[in-house]
Amino acid sequence: KNEVEQSPQNLTAQEGEFITINCSYSVGISALHWLQQHPGGGIVSLFMLSSGKKKHGRLIATINIQEKHSSLHITASHPRDSAVYICAVRTEPGNQFYFGTGTSLTVIP
Amino acid sequence: NAGVTQTPKFQVLKTGQSMTLQCAQDMNHNSMYWYRQDPGMGLRLIYYSASEGTTDKGEVPNGYNVSRLNKREFSLRLESAAPSQTSVYFCASTWGLAGLSYEQYFGPGTRLTVT
Repeated sequence: KNEVEQSPQNLTAQEGEFITINCSYSVGISALHWLQQHPGGGIVSLFMLSSGKKKHGRLIATINIQEKHSSLHITASHPRDSAVYICAVRTEPGNQFYFGTGTSLTVIP
Repeated sequence: NAGVTQTPKFQVLKTGQSMTLQCAQDMNHNSMYWYRQDPGMGLRLIYYSASEGTTDKGEVPNGYNVSRLNKREFSLRLESAAPSQTSVYFCASTWGLAGLSYEQYFGPGTRLTVT
């Protein structure tokens, strides 16, 4: 069973395009995290959100608790945005972390 | 601050050998986690420690043991390695206690191959 589903699995975009990555989950959560995994393997937390919307620079994350869905948007994409983007949820109750399999993004100059 | 550090970065074991993966954080975080990452599977939680002195099983604990040595250090032990444990292992930490939701900080990973 997959508690967290991401789409698309792979995404190729031209530099400057607006990008959307989707995450759906099937469990009750206390928070949802968006992570970025660089080609070298390192993982960085981008956002943690439990409601509404957050923005950091060109990145925007939204969550709809009722629909159990979150989106990560990248505006004016750049080749340095090329990475794997991972959605993760912390369950409530249960206090477990479940991760999506990631969306591999390639931005072409 | 070094953040979250892991040793070793790479390791090759033969089936049946044992080893301990070390993790340390210098951010005064309360909670620490061990994950494994396999191709096509996403990260999966092995064990976590909500606070010093406590440990709990995650999604895939079989074949592993952990020790929260102190607030800074959380080790993962493979007593008898199996090829199915070939994976990349990540340690992470967060300020919050279990039940609260805080940003996770990840170590650089340990790539383990069991032959």
